[in-house]
Amino acid sequence: GAVVSQHPSRVICKSGTSVKIECRSLDFQATTMFWYRQFPKQSLMLMATSNEGSKATYEQGVEKDKFLINHASLTLSTLTVTSAHPEDSSFYICSATLSEGTEAFFGQGTRLTVV
Amino acid sequence: GQNIDQPTEMTATEGAIVQINCTYQTSGFNGLFWYQQHAGEAPTFLSYNVLDGLEEKGRFSSFLSRSKGYSYLLLKELQMKDSASYLCAVRDSNYQLIWGAGTKLIIKP
Repeated sequence: GAVVSQHPSRVICKSGTSVKIECRSLDFQATTMFWYRQFPKQSLMLMATSNEGSKATYEQGVEKDKFLINHASLTLSTLTVTSAHPEDSSFYICSATLSEGTEAFFGQGTRLTVV
Repeated sequence: GQNIDQPTEMTATEGAIVQINCTYQTSGFNGLFWYQQHAGEAPTFLSYNVLDGLEEKGRFSSFLSRSKGYSYLLLKELQMKDSASYLCAVRDSNYQLIWGAGTKLIIKP
């Protein structure tokens, strides 16, 4: 299957700082990537849909100024958590699809801890 | 609204068979997916159903009935490594993935 690489896998940052998470499709071009957040013992919550060359589409309740998404190329999307707070501590996962109707391939996820 | 229902937790014995059910109500349907997720890891793809019937892949099978809004994942010859959460997801008319809360499967020796 297609490979999606996410980096870093774990990050600890101080409250008030910003953290950037990268998501790369290694062997295919991903026109659309998805960013999810997952709290312990809960399912995936879609945060935003990232489209190459255009602004991301955010889900209701997700602050676009806090979670900055950039999808500058067909193989790279980034999520920046700005002015992080302890409540932003979570598991962030990106995914991409080859085309509509096929399965989503997930990155390894990023465990963010804000102290 | 859109809704995916699956049991929160199930327990089964090593070597046995377990069936995890998923019912859904979504705006449109463009396929149903099952994913496995071990604690602390990202989900991994297990199966995809878009037409009614059974799809078999090794020890895992997935069934779909679109008229009933129902699917199940069948796991045979259970192994301890199958202990994980199993997520049901439906792709709606906008090709958005709607996720269930996941079923935590506990395998006992």
